[in-house]
Amino acid sequence: DAGITQSPRHKVTETGTPVTLRCHQTENHRYMYWYRQDPGHGLRLIHYSYGVKDTDKGEVSDGYSVSRSKTEDFLLTLESATSSQTSVYFCAISGQGQGVSTQYFGPGTRLTVL
Amino acid sequence: QQPVQSPQAVILREGEDAVINCSSSKALYSVHWYRQKHGEAPVFLMILLKGGEQKGHDKISASFNEKKQQSSLYLTASQLSYSGTYFCGTEPIIQGAQKLVFGQGTRLTINP
Repeated sequence: DAGITQSPRHKVTETGTPVTLRCHQTENHRYMYWYRQDPGHGLRLIHYSYGVKDTDKGEVSDGYSVSRSKTEDFLLTLESATSSQTSVYFCAISGQGQGVSTQYFGPGTRLTVL
Repeated sequence: QQPVQSPQAVILREGEDAVINCSSSKALYSVHWYRQKHGEAPVFLMILLKGGEQKGHDKISASFNEKKQQSSLYLTASQLSYSGTYFCGTEPIIQGAQKLVFGQGTRLTINP
Protein backbone atom coordinates (compact mmCIF):
# COMPACT_ATOMS: atom_id res chain seq x y z
CA ASP A 1 0.00 0.00 0.00
CA ALA A 2 1.65 3.20 -1.21
CA GLY A 3 -0.65 5.48 0.80
CA ILE A 4 -2.43 7.11 -2.13
CA THR A 5 -6.07 8.16 -2.09
CA GLN A 6 -8.17 9.82 -4.75
CA SER A 7 -11.38 11.78 -4.43
CA PRO A 8 -14.02 11.60 -5.56
CA ARG A 9 -14.02 7.97 -6.69
CA HIS A 10 -16.93 8.52 -9.04
CA LYS A 11 -18.32 11.68 -10.57
CA VAL A 12 -20.95 12.50 -13.14
CA THR A 13 -20.98 16.03 -14.48
CA GLU A 14 -22.30 18.02 -17.39
CA THR A 15 -20.45 19.45 -20.35
CA GLY A 16 -19.02 22.88 -19.63
CA THR A 17 -18.77 22.56 -15.87
CA PRO A 18 -15.44 22.72 -14.01
CA VAL A 19 -14.24 19.59 -12.26
CA THR A 20 -11.40 19.09 -9.78
CA LEU A 21 -9.98 15.72 -8.86
CA ARG A 22 -7.77 15.30 -5.83
CA CYS A 23 -4.85 12.99 -5.21
CA HIS A 24 -3.48 12.69 -1.69
CA GLN A 25 -0.36 10.82 -0.60
CA THR A 26 0.90 10.14 2.90
CA GLU A 27 4.52 9.21 2.19
CA ASN A 28 6.21 12.48 1.16
CA HIS A 29 7.09 11.40 -2.38
CA ARG A 30 8.51 14.05 -4.65
CA TYR A 31 7.05 12.92 -7.96
CA MET A 32 3.32 12.67 -8.61
CA TYR A 33 1.48 11.98 -11.88
CA TRP A 34 -1.98 12.12 -13.39
CA TYR A 35 -2.99 9.61 -16.06
CA ARG A 36 -6.15 8.91 -17.94
CA GLN A 37 -7.08 5.42 -19.05
CA ASP A 38 -9.29 4.72 -22.04
CA PRO A 39 -10.00 1.42 -23.80
CA GLY A 40 -7.32 0.63 -26.36
CA HIS A 41 -5.01 3.43 -25.22
CA GLY A 42 -3.54 2.15 -22.00
CA LEU A 43 -2.40 4.80 -19.54
CA ARG A 44 -1.58 8.22 -20.91
CA LEU A 45 0.20 10.91 -18.93
CA ILE A 46 -1.69 14.18 -18.49
CA HIS A 47 0.54 16.18 -16.15
CA TYR A 48 3.16 15.46 -13.57
CA SER A 49 4.82 17.21 -10.64
CA TYR A 50 8.39 17.06 -9.42
CA GLY A 51 7.87 19.17 -6.30
CA VAL A 52 5.68 21.79 -4.68
CA LYS A 53 4.59 24.27 -7.35
CA ASP A 54 6.72 22.41 -9.93
CA THR A 55 4.61 20.83 -12.64
CA ASP A 56 4.91 19.99 -16.31
CA LYS A 57 2.79 18.70 -19.17
CA GLY A 58 2.43 15.14 -20.33
CA GLU A 59 1.32 13.82 -23.69
CA VAL A 60 -2.42 14.61 -23.34
CA SER A 61 -2.48 17.85 -21.35
CA ASP A 62 -4.88 19.93 -23.47
CA GLY A 63 -7.98 20.87 -21.46
CA TYR A 64 -6.38 20.04 -18.12
CA SER A 65 -4.50 22.01 -15.50
CA VAL A 66 -2.83 20.95 -12.26
CA SER A 67 -1.67 22.44 -9.01
CA ARG A 68 0.50 21.27 -6.16
CA SER A 69 0.62 23.65 -3.20
CA LYS A 70 1.59 20.94 -0.69
CA THR A 71 3.76 17.86 -1.05
CA GLU A 72 0.88 15.55 -0.24
CA ASP A 73 -1.78 16.94 -2.61
CA PHE A 74 -1.88 17.04 -6.40
CA LEU A 75 -5.02 18.46 -7.98
CA LEU A 76 -6.23 17.92 -11.53
CA THR A 77 -8.72 20.45 -12.92
CA LEU A 78 -10.87 20.26 -16.01
CA GLU A 79 -11.70 23.92 -16.58
CA SER A 80 -14.69 23.17 -18.80
CA ALA A 81 -15.43 19.46 -19.03
CA THR A 82 -16.17 17.88 -22.41
CA SER A 83 -17.55 14.45 -23.27
CA SER A 84 -14.11 13.43 -24.61
CA GLN A 85 -12.81 13.74 -21.06
CA THR A 86 -15.01 10.90 -19.88
CA SER A 87 -12.43 8.46 -18.61
CA VAL A 88 -10.88 6.78 -15.61
CA TYR A 89 -8.25 8.97 -14.00
CA PHE A 90 -5.38 7.54 -12.02
CA CYS A 91 -2.94 9.34 -9.82
CA ALA A 92 0.50 7.81 -9.25
CA ILE A 93 3.54 8.49 -7.14
CA SER A 94 7.11 7.47 -7.79
CA GLY A 95 8.43 5.32 -4.98
CA GLN A 96 10.97 2.59 -4.36
CA GLY A 97 10.31 -0.90 -5.70
CA GLN A 98 12.98 -3.62 -5.67
CA GLY A 99 15.57 -0.96 -4.84
CA VAL A 100 14.74 1.32 -7.77
CA SER A 101 12.05 3.86 -8.45
CA THR A 102 8.77 2.79 -9.93
CA GLN A 103 5.25 4.13 -9.93
CA TYR A 104 2.42 3.18 -7.61
CA PHE A 105 -1.16 3.99 -8.49
CA GLY A 106 -4.10 5.29 -6.55
CA PRO A 107 -7.53 3.61 -6.77
CA GLY A 108 -8.76 5.80 -9.63
CA THR A 109 -11.64 8.19 -10.29
CA ARG A 110 -14.30 7.33 -12.83
CA LEU A 111 -15.48 10.54 -14.48
CA THR A 112 -18.48 10.73 -16.76
CA VAL A 113 -19.20 13.94 -18.67
CA LEU A 114 -22.73 14.09 -20.08
CA GLN B 1 6.10 7.16 -28.53
CA GLN B 2 4.00 4.41 -27.01
CA PRO B 3 5.60 0.93 -26.77
CA VAL B 4 3.84 -1.86 -28.63
CA GLN B 5 2.60 -4.89 -26.74
CA SER B 6 1.82 -8.24 -28.28
CA PRO B 7 -0.41 -10.11 -28.30
CA GLN B 8 -3.33 -7.80 -27.56
CA ALA B 9 -5.24 -10.63 -25.92
CA VAL B 10 -4.66 -14.26 -25.00
CA ILE B 11 -6.88 -16.97 -23.58
CA LEU B 12 -5.37 -19.89 -21.69
CA ARG B 13 -6.43 -22.84 -19.65
CA GLU B 14 -5.17 -23.03 -16.10
CA GLY B 15 -1.66 -24.50 -16.04
CA GLU B 16 -0.64 -23.27 -19.50
CA ASP B 17 2.17 -20.82 -20.20
CA ALA B 18 2.06 -17.36 -21.77
CA VAL B 19 4.54 -14.80 -23.09
CA ILE B 20 3.76 -11.11 -23.42
CA ASN B 21 6.08 -8.86 -25.37
CA CYS B 22 6.75 -5.12 -25.16
CA SER B 23 8.75 -3.33 -27.86
CA SER B 24 9.97 0.24 -27.89
CA SER B 25 11.42 2.41 -30.64
CA LYS B 26 13.49 4.31 -28.08
CA ALA B 27 16.61 3.33 -26.16
CA LEU B 28 15.39 2.29 -22.73
CA TYR B 29 16.74 2.62 -19.22
CA SER B 30 14.09 0.41 -17.66
CA VAL B 31 10.89 -1.52 -18.27
CA HIS B 32 8.21 -1.82 -15.58
CA TRP B 33 5.48 -4.46 -15.64
CA TYR B 34 2.03 -4.06 -14.11
CA ARG B 35 -1.12 -6.16 -13.83
CA GLN B 36 -4.57 -4.62 -13.64
CA LYS B 37 -7.73 -6.41 -12.60
CA HIS B 38 -11.03 -5.16 -13.93
CA GLY B 39 -12.16 -2.04 -12.07
CA GLU B 40 -8.95 -1.79 -10.06
CA ALA B 41 -5.69 0.15 -10.21
CA PRO B 42 -2.60 -1.23 -11.95
CA VAL B 43 -0.37 -3.15 -9.54
CA PHE B 44 3.40 -3.16 -9.87
CA LEU B 45 4.97 -6.55 -10.66
CA MET B 46 8.64 -6.00 -11.44
CA ILE B 47 11.30 -3.79 -13.01
CA LEU B 48 13.89 -4.68 -15.63
CA LEU B 49 16.89 -2.38 -15.77
CA LYS B 50 19.32 -1.72 -18.58
CA GLY B 51 22.21 -4.08 -17.92
CA GLY B 52 20.25 -5.90 -15.25
CA GLU B 53 19.33 -9.52 -14.74
CA GLN B 54 16.20 -11.36 -15.65
CA LYS B 55 13.70 -10.97 -12.85
CA GLY B 56 11.40 -13.51 -11.30
CA HIS B 57 8.40 -13.35 -9.02
CA ASP B 58 6.76 -16.65 -8.10
CA LYS B 59 5.96 -18.17 -11.51
CA ILE B 60 6.13 -14.85 -13.32
CA SER B 61 9.45 -13.74 -14.75
CA ALA B 62 10.68 -11.21 -17.28
CA SER B 63 13.64 -10.39 -19.46
CA PHE B 64 14.99 -7.29 -21.19
CA ASN B 65 16.80 -7.44 -24.52
CA GLU B 66 18.71 -4.16 -24.75
CA LYS B 67 19.75 -4.67 -28.35
CA LYS B 68 16.14 -4.97 -29.48
CA GLN B 69 14.67 -2.61 -26.81
CA GLN B 70 12.22 -5.37 -26.06
CA SER B 71 11.01 -6.91 -22.83
CA SER B 72 9.10 -10.16 -22.41
CA LEU B 73 6.94 -11.26 -19.50
CA TYR B 74 6.71 -15.01 -18.91
CA LEU B 75 3.85 -16.58 -16.98
CA THR B 76 4.35 -20.28 -16.34
CA ALA B 77 1.79 -22.78 -15.10
CA SER B 78 -0.79 -20.00 -15.10
CA GLN B 79 -3.27 -19.71 -12.27
CA LEU B 80 -6.77 -18.25 -12.33
CA SER B 81 -5.46 -15.31 -10.31
CA TYR B 82 -3.18 -14.32 -13.21
CA SER B 83 -6.15 -13.10 -15.23
CA GLY B 84 -6.13 -9.39 -15.95
CA THR B 85 -4.59 -6.85 -18.26
CA TYR B 86 -0.82 -6.56 -18.31
CA PHE B 87 0.92 -3.28 -19.08
CA CYS B 88 4.53 -2.49 -19.70
CA GLY B 89 5.78 0.96 -18.76
CA THR B 90 8.97 2.04 -20.44
CA GLU B 91 11.43 4.64 -19.22
CA PRO B 92 13.57 5.99 -22.07
CA ILE B 93 17.19 6.78 -21.30
CA ILE B 94 16.62 10.46 -22.05
CA GLN B 95 13.39 11.21 -20.23
CA GLY B 96 13.74 12.54 -16.72
CA ALA B 97 11.25 12.90 -13.87
CA GLN B 98 10.99 9.09 -13.67
CA LYS B 99 8.26 9.26 -16.31
CA LEU B 100 6.91 6.08 -17.83
CA VAL B 101 5.29 5.54 -21.22
CA PHE B 102 2.80 2.68 -21.16
CA GLY B 103 1.84 0.15 -23.79
CA GLN B 104 -1.78 -0.40 -24.71
CA GLY B 105 -2.05 -3.53 -22.60
CA THR B 106 -2.45 -7.29 -23.09
CA ARG B 107 -5.61 -8.90 -21.79
CA LEU B 108 -4.97 -12.32 -20.29
CA THR B 109 -7.88 -14.66 -19.56
CA ILE B 110 -7.29 -17.88 -17.65
CA ASN B 111 -10.06 -20.44 -17.79
CA PRO B 112 -10.41 -23.47 -15.45
